[in-house]
Amino acid sequence: GAVVSQHPSRVICKSGTSVKIECRSLDFQATTMFWYRQFPKQSLMLMATSNEGSKATYEQGVEKDKFLINHASLTLSTLTVTSAHPEDSSFYICSARVSGRAAETQYFGPGTRLLVL
Amino acid sequence: AQSVTQLGSHVSVSEGALVLLRCNYSSSVPPYLFWYVQYPNQGLQLLLKYTSAATLVKGINGFEAEFKKSETSFHLTKPSAHMSDAAEYFCAVTSSRNDMRFGAGTRLTVKP
Repeated sequence: GAVVSQHPSRVICKSGTSVKIECRSLDFQATTMFWYRQFPKQSLMLMATSNEGSKATYEQGVEKDKFLINHASLTLSTLTVTSAHPEDSSFYICSARVSGRAAETQYFGPGTRLLVL
Repeated sequence: AQSVTQLGSHVSVSEGALVLLRCNYSSSVPPYLFWYVQYPNQGLQLLLKYTSAATLVKGINGFEAEFKKSETSFHLTKPSAHMSDAAEYFCAVTSSRNDMRFGAGTRLTVKP
């Protein structure tokens, strides 16, 4: 089956620093990738849709200048949390849609837990 | 816009008992519906999905769900709960627009 990886799996950083999270589709090409965040004991909230070679589409209320998304290739999307603050601490999960396949074919990464001190 | 509502944030069953997790959807277009399971500190694992084929969908680990358009429901069931089924379960909906929307989740507890 299709595999999506995320790196790092866990990161702790100081307030004010930036953190980059990578999302890779290991054995398929993904034209579209999605970024979600999940607070403890809550559901996943879509943050943005990342399309290869174009600007990401952000959901309402998500600061695009704070959460920088780059989708430079068909197998890699990155989310950079800039000037992180403790309230950014969360579980970030990406998913990837197989290129050329129907919308329902999305595969999720294992998630990245971010803790901002 | 599509959305799903999961009824019951917490469901507790005894081992061997029937598992029923409820999900109702709202969609202006034919939906694709999913059930995912999440274990602590892990990502999502797809249990099953409905994509307009058979209305009764069988998934992994003995789970199944039935799409009922008249009731706008996609409830998840398992005839006999196992201790290893204890986890968080999410219902989700997507459409041709590609984005996926999740329900609030239902935590399943299985008592010995």
